[in-house]
Amino acid sequence: EIVLTQSPGTLSFSPGDRATLSCRASQSVSNTYLAWYQQKPGQAPRLLLYAASTRTGGIPYRFSGSGSGTDFTLTISRLEAEDFAVYYCQWSGTFGPGTRLEIK
Amino acid sequence: QVQLVQSGSDLKKPGASVKVSCKASGYPFSTRAINWVRQAPGQGPEWMGWINTTTGIPTYVPGFTGRFVFSSDTSASTSYLLISGLKAEDTATYYCVTEEWLIWGQGTLVTVSS
Repeated sequence: EIVLTQSPGTLSFSPGDRATLSCRASQSVSNTYLAWYQQKPGQAPRLLLYAASTRTGGIPYRFSGSGSGTDFTLTISRLEAEDFAVYYCQWSGTFGPGTRLEIK
Repeated sequence: QVQLVQSGSDLKKPGASVKVSCKASGYPFSTRAINWVRQAPGQGPEWMGWINTTTGIPTYVPGFTGRFVFSSDTSASTSYLLISGLKAEDTATYYCVTEEWLIWGQGTLVTVSS
């Protein structure tokens, strides 16, 4: 069973900052099934990236993904106010515990 | 446009059953499987499993066997989640999601309380 770890649980940034979020798998996994989601209070999760680095339609270019094997990264190049939310990674259905981005 | 519309929030007593519906529109229903996801208050999402809407065959993730049943009605373009023997720890928002994880229902809050 693959276990995903996202740490730290909370990150604090200011608008305009560059944010890098980490997702680590308990064993090497295929990029094909690695996805990232954004969730805001009272809303369903929103798929941002799939196959580790492919943006879904309408997702701004400031969101990018990278990684392979056990270590994956979501980068938000310049944070905007609307980006402060919880971010989850997912591998083949299994979700990580999430990282909350909060305003410093 | 493709969308999933779920049934409304529900309050149930421990031991009761609840059936959540998820109506699809904007695409041929049987061409995409439906995933089910549970999210307890303040927690992350948990994948419960999925149902093949072509065959009606469900697949359950460990931890969601026994009391949880997925079904689908192609004629109604609707998938269902039945939870029996409800417990307080089943209190959560339940989501249906299309096969590719792109389209999510709005969520159904099920509250279990005496």
